[in-house]
Amino acid sequence: KQEVTQIPAALSVPEGENLVLNCSFTDSAIYNLQWFRQDPGKGLTSLLLIQSSQREQTSGRLNASLDKSSGRSTLYIAASQPGDSATYLCAGRFSGGYNKLIFGAGTRLAVHP
Amino acid sequence: GAVVSQHPSRVICKSGTSVKIECRSLDFQATTMFWYRQFPKQSLMLMATSNEGSKATYEQGVEKDKFLINHASLTLSTLTVTSAHPEDSSFYICSATRTSGGAQEQFFGPGTRLTVL
Repeated sequence: KQEVTQIPAALSVPEGENLVLNCSFTDSAIYNLQWFRQDPGKGLTSLLLIQSSQREQTSGRLNASLDKSSGRSTLYIAASQPGDSATYLCAGRFSGGYNKLIFGAGTRLAVHP
Repeated sequence: GAVVSQHPSRVICKSGTSVKIECRSLDFQATTMFWYRQFPKQSLMLMATSNEGSKATYEQGVEKDKFLINHASLTLSTLTVTSAHPEDSSFYICSATRTSGGAQEQFFGPGTRLTVL
């Protein structure tokens, strides 16, 4: 069974800190992995998409990595800001999954001034 | 960027009524759309995969007669919650798959908050 797990479930940091969110998956036959941001009561905003052939993707202060062999992905947020406060979800698309995304439970991030 | 819309954004209805939610890809064609539901402080749970011109594929445990899905065109999928009950109250989110340069990426709608009284 394909599963995606995110650790920690919640994280609170002071403004300015660099932080890492973790995502692990059980099936190494991953097609791609996507990181999303969700604000309370809102839909999902795609942050980064990493193909299985890639090791990392960067967008501004965000950097996501993918290690298929260990079944892990990380989202690195540099110089965190209060506006980064949200729930961060990772989701994997696996071979044979017919384009289905399997979501982790998310990490609720709070950045306080 | 690709845009996916949902309508309505919020709906309150009485128990026993049916509610239709629309999902549209505004600037791209999507042969595949997905419907998710999300309970408070929980992750997204896939309900069904909607393919244009064919029957939807439902996940285990999702009642197909309860949640009717129609994917009438490459830009529109609808989810109808039939005879809604309070336990159907949830946040429903759709996504549409865009294929570009061989890569597939899902774009999500803003969600529909359903409250059944």
